[in-house]
Amino acid sequence: GAVVSQHPSWVICKSGTSVKIECRSLDFQATTMFWYRQFPKQSLMLMATSNEGSKATYEQGVEKDKFLINHASLTLSTLTVTSAHPEDSSFYICSASGGALIEQYFGPGTRLTVT
Amino acid sequence: GIQVEQSPPDLILQEGANSTLRCNFSDSVNNLQWFHQNPWGQLINLFYIPSGTKQNGRLSATTVATERYSLLYISSSQTTDSGVYFCAVGDGQFYFGTGTSLTVIP
Repeated sequence: GAVVSQHPSWVICKSGTSVKIECRSLDFQATTMFWYRQFPKQSLMLMATSNEGSKATYEQGVEKDKFLINHASLTLSTLTVTSAHPEDSSFYICSASGGALIEQYFGPGTRLTVT
Repeated sequence: GIQVEQSPPDLILQEGANSTLRCNFSDSVNNLQWFHQNPWGQLINLFYIPSGTKQNGRLSATTVATERYSLLYISSSQTTDSGVYFCAVGDGQFYFGTGTSLTVIP
């Protein structure tokens, strides 16, 4: 149980375009979802926390207008990188928790490359 | 935010050896998890351990919340144990440690 999926697993886009990443909890209701980014050889950095039906809470230094997060249902959260630039290239990982699950369960990640 | 430091940053072991990974954190927290990140980036839950001791096969973990540290023990290491080990702490949202990169050589 407690499976989280992400789609796509990897994406290449051109500078200036927008990219949407989906995070789904497959077998539980995720009242809270989290988005992280990870640069090569570095740790995971929390970007934002989203609760179903509410606006996301962004960590300091994360541009909310650039990284749009929507948590419209108990099983789906999306992260949209708007007007992507090469410096946005990174590994984006979501996690989810909710219901009886105190722990966070992580998706497999999405590798974004902006050319 | 909470500061989370892990040691050692890098570790090379001969297969069959034992090891201890440490996680220190700067503030009291209600949640702590250990993860193994495989070469493809997937984070595997190892332990949810805000306090106390847990064991799962060759792995065990101990958290002393009052002293703000946690330890992950790996016994009889195998090459498949290679990867990066993270601890993450927080109340609600998680803050990740700096990680320990483990390489187990045959």
